[in-house]
Amino acid sequence: DGGITQSPKYLFRKEGQNVTLSCEQNLNHDAMYWYRQDPGQGLRLIYYSQIVNDFQKGDIAEGYSVSREKKESFPLTVTSAQKNPTAFYLCASTMGRMVAANYGYTFGSGTRLTVV
Amino acid sequence: DQQVKQNSPSLSVQEGRISILNCDYTNSMFDYFLWYKKYPAEGPTFLISISSIKDKNEDGRFTVFLNKSAKHLSLHIVPSQPGDSAVYFCAASRKMYNQGGKLIFGQGTELSVKP
Repeated sequence: DGGITQSPKYLFRKEGQNVTLSCEQNLNHDAMYWYRQDPGQGLRLIYYSQIVNDFQKGDIAEGYSVSREKKESFPLTVTSAQKNPTAFYLCASTMGRMVAANYGYTFGSGTRLTVV
Repeated sequence: DQQVKQNSPSLSVQEGRISILNCDYTNSMFDYFLWYKKYPAEGPTFLISISSIKDKNEDGRFTVFLNKSAKHLSLHIVPSQPGDSAVYFCAASRKMYNQGGKLIFGQGTELSVKP
């Protein structure tokens, strides 16, 4: 079955540590996205990538970094510079640069990151 | 600047009745609007969408209405079922290459359908 796999489901980080969240898709989608969900703020875009070896900052990129070395993979690193990293992180993908109106994104099941 | 707004954080409805979830937007350049449903600790799943050239789209119990002059869309669920209890996000997109297919999401509305 095609889909997006995010791992781990739960992640605990100590203050000052970098952590990397994994996102893998086997849908042959070109574009991939990272969103962050906080209570009362909806989903906010962190980074996105339209093609391999290229990515752009979203609305809240500070303290995060990404790479897109393979079409299937778009890992997100939460660095120690991110002041409030505790949140639910969602990875998504879509076929191309334009969102297909009949289905939009396919989302992964998310990673809950908690700073301890 | 919140381009897509869902002003009701929560909604409670009796089973069998109609649920109406509302969404407002500010950017008149949006071409597509989508609704997603999300359960706790899961990713959102696509529900229904509408193009800006239409004013209504229907899929089973779900209907989305678009009022472009008011920059307002709504999702109607009839009849509501307990399994519909979830957080609903509306999202908007500009169908342009240089937008990267980005979706702008609202804050979400938590729907609770009581038996």
